[in-house]
Amino acid sequence: QKEVEQDPGPLSVPEGAIVSLNCTYSNSAFQYFMWYRQYSRKGPELLMYTYSSGNKEDGRFTAQVDKSSKYISLFIRDSQPSDSATYLCAMIDSGAGSYQLTFGKGTKLSVIP
Amino acid sequence: GAVVSQHPSRVICKSGTSVKIECRSLDFQATTMFWYRQFPKQSLMLMATSNEGSKATYEQGVEKDKFLINHASLTLSTLTVTSAHPEDSSFYICSAGGLANGNEQFFGPGTRLTVL
Repeated sequence: QKEVEQDPGPLSVPEGAIVSLNCTYSNSAFQYFMWYRQYSRKGPELLMYTYSSGNKEDGRFTAQVDKSSKYISLFIRDSQPSDSATYLCAMIDSGAGSYQLTFGKGTKLSVIP
Repeated sequence: GAVVSQHPSRVICKSGTSVKIECRSLDFQATTMFWYRQFPKQSLMLMATSNEGSKATYEQGVEKDKFLINHASLTLSTLTVTSAHPEDSSFYICSAGGLANGNEQFFGPGTRLTVL
């Protein structure tokens, strides 16, 4: 079993829909959780960054972490065609003493106008 | 967020040659830099972690004699792919983190390497 599982999709939604992206993980030592957006042939850019369990909202984006279930989510409200990209979840085991990220495979999202 | 640049953005080379990729943190000092490789439709795979002034730590299965990493300053790390072969063709991405940035990593735009 991989440390971080993420459905690669592809996921297609109509413009304006609410998108739900998810990851599960097995390492209970993960404490920092990130969502990155990666456009084709570009480096990832950080969207959301949360520590431990709870919710965090930033504009149309909401990140949720449920450490008891080892499950994290990213919600995108009022999705736009410009949101079409691959979304990668990533996690850090801060106890390991480094900034090493463990990534999911990424979910490819297409928002259809 | 902080800015990380990579150069070149794209390189095509012949089999057997060596290619150097630079990663620079432009507006912060990066105590740690990471090098990733990403194959088409795959996630980022960590190759190595480098701390300024010390030897890089390579992930299992990554040949340290083939992928030479130098992190000589707090703003520059280089990855040299030695004696490149077609199977080394990939998208190479660096990221940088620093004490001032907590656990955040900032990614460069990537370098696409094609080995003919």
